[in-house]
Amino acid sequence: AQRVTQPEKLLSVFKGAPVELKCNYSYSGSPELFWYVQYSRQRLQLLLRHISRESIKGFTADLNKGETSFHLKKPFAQEEDSAMYYCALESFQKLVFGTGTRLLVSP
Amino acid sequence: DVKVTQSSRYLVKRTGEKVFLECVQDMDHENMFWYRQDPGLGLRLIYFSYDVKMKEKGDIPEGYSVSREKKERFSLILESASTNQTSMYLCASALRSNEQFFGPGTRLTVL
Repeated sequence: AQRVTQPEKLLSVFKGAPVELKCNYSYSGSPELFWYVQYSRQRLQLLLRHISRESIKGFTADLNKGETSFHLKKPFAQEEDSAMYYCALESFQKLVFGTGTRLLVSP
Repeated sequence: DVKVTQSSRYLVKRTGEKVFLECVQDMDHENMFWYRQDPGLGLRLIYFSYDVKMKEKGDIPEGYSVSREKKERFSLILESASTNQTSMYLCASALRSNEQFFGPGTRLTVL
């Protein structure tokens, strides 16, 4: 069965520190993975998807098929990065979401 | 910009009431989805629809039904609301396998 695991409920860092939000998945086949973000009082929105290989707001994520991981990274966290982050896996036009990680960036 | 709107931002209902949550999108997307969002559980798919009058069960369909009579509108129905259906409900739409666009959510409280 398809599953997305985000082991950390809360990640708290100081401004300027590196950030890594972990995501592991189980999927038989070639996965398509996404990171969605929800800022306070805003709607959930796409942050990035692995096939585009973009860097959005300084965030990157690399698909590691050997480790079945898609960790989200940013070298220097900013206070405005504080939000709820969800990793998601696409399966038959549906998304399977992880339980989310709340990132808190303190000044 | 894609716009996904939901009929209510906050809703308070009593146990046993029938509840309708409406979702409208303006980008001619084929696919529409209903999720519930609960702390520690993430987003869980309730129902989705690939086209008008089509519906598919998601992971937690029990206690819910849906209706899609027009392409732009996808309704979630709680036939007899219960307290364990208190949650944030999110609607989303997508053009086939592309990015899902989410509505602002409806926070439903069942007393």
